[in-house]
Amino acid sequence: NAGVTQTPKFRVLKTGQSMTLLCAQDMNHEYMYWYRQDPGMGLRLIHYSVGEGTTAKGEVPDGYNVSRLKKQNFLLGLESAAPSQTSVYFCASRRDYPNTGELFFGEGSRLTVL
Amino acid sequence: GENVEQHPSTLSVQEGDSAVIKCTYSDSASNYFPWYKQELGKRPQLIIDIRSNVGEKKDQRIAVTLNKTAKHFSLHITETQPEDSAVYFCAASLGAGGTSYGKLTFGQGTILTVHP
Repeated sequence: NAGVTQTPKFRVLKTGQSMTLLCAQDMNHEYMYWYRQDPGMGLRLIHYSVGEGTTAKGEVPDGYNVSRLKKQNFLLGLESAAPSQTSVYFCASRRDYPNTGELFFGEGSRLTVL
Repeated sequence: GENVEQHPSTLSVQEGDSAVIKCTYSDSASNYFPWYKQELGKRPQLIIDIRSNVGEKKDQRIAVTLNKTAKHFSLHITETQPEDSAVYFCAASLGAGGTSYGKLTFGQGTILTVHP
């Protein structure tokens, strides 16, 4: 099992460019999440999904879109990147039953917007 | 929504000492409180968690205590070792079910440094 895999690991964008981060999990988990991590601010939830075809906003959704067309994949899109979106992005997944509550994180994707 | 405050932001101890990290939460309905450890450049990983029907939980050198009345919970690490050096995050959620879907709200993180 690869667990949770994120691509790309690193990316540098110019302001206004667009990109998509891909998260893939092979654990058959129902729930998937996108967090961003900034120094001194912990992990903040951007968007999440409770199953294939569903998405919902988290704490800091502005400037991001997501899609979950397949159960194993959760995509995070930036339509017009801004310097404020420079961050480390973590995808995570969780099973629904039995629900232990544990989140399984990917390795992270470091995004720099110039 | 839920708000989680974590203190201290940095903690430096000598090897063998104990370390304590404290968190407070705002939503009295929260019932699940995990702690994650993130080593430098790595992904966060669950180290221990506690549910609201329990006041304390131990796992070898780490323990978590919960005071629901005061809405705070703490991580205790005894006999610290250099490999305990990492960033520790507390979190709170309503668990699964309802509209929360187990969404975790994280604290700001504590950088723990254990000096040999």
